[in-house]
Amino acid sequence: DAGVIQSPRHEVTEMGQEVTLRCKPISGHNSLFWYRQTMMRGLELLIYFNNNVPIDDSGMPEDRFSAKMPNASFSTLKIQPSEPRDSAVYFCASSPGRGWADTQYFGPGTRLTVL
Amino acid sequence: KNEVEQSPQNLTAQEGEFITINCSYSVGISALHWLQQHPGGGIVSLFMLSSGKKKHGRLIATINIQEKHSSLHITASHPRDSAVYICAVDEETSGSRLTFGEGTQLTVNP
Repeated sequence: DAGVIQSPRHEVTEMGQEVTLRCKPISGHNSLFWYRQTMMRGLELLIYFNNNVPIDDSGMPEDRFSAKMPNASFSTLKIQPSEPRDSAVYFCASSPGRGWADTQYFGPGTRLTVL
Repeated sequence: KNEVEQSPQNLTAQEGEFITINCSYSVGISALHWLQQHPGGGIVSLFMLSSGKKKHGRLIATINIQEKHSSLHITASHPRDSAVYICAVDEETSGSRLTFGEGTQLTVNP
């Protein structure tokens, strides 16, 4: 298996633009997680899906952020409109089990820069 | 909210030394994870613990539920162990919430 795949790996955009990050989890995994990492705040959970259903989105910063998982093999994280404070590395991870009761497998991350 | 504290924040060692990184948390948990983040940014899950001890190669992770404390040990450290080690806890009563420590930056010199 190729592991968790994220695209793009790097994204540079201007303030106010829409940004869409993509994730393909490991086949057969039931849980998918989106995380954000910044120097100031470290790693933070944004949202967690189980069997394509959002279970906990309390980490999503505000209405500008939205995430979808239309099927078991694809998820998106969208920021609209983007702001400079959204600049961070965004990681997607998947897990065979439910929640954090199982090992997580991380993607390589998307480094987002909002100018 | 669970407070997760790691110590030390930074650690420099000589190749071959035995290394210990500590993680303390404030409320009951159902699981604790140790993650490794390499200089290139990639994150790898090392261990998931709910009790006792786990070993993988030169890495050993222990957890004491009563004392709300976990340790990650590296035996015979090597420069390739240089990375940030992050502790994360899954709270018992949160439903689905993972709280991360700030990480420990480990540098192993040859």
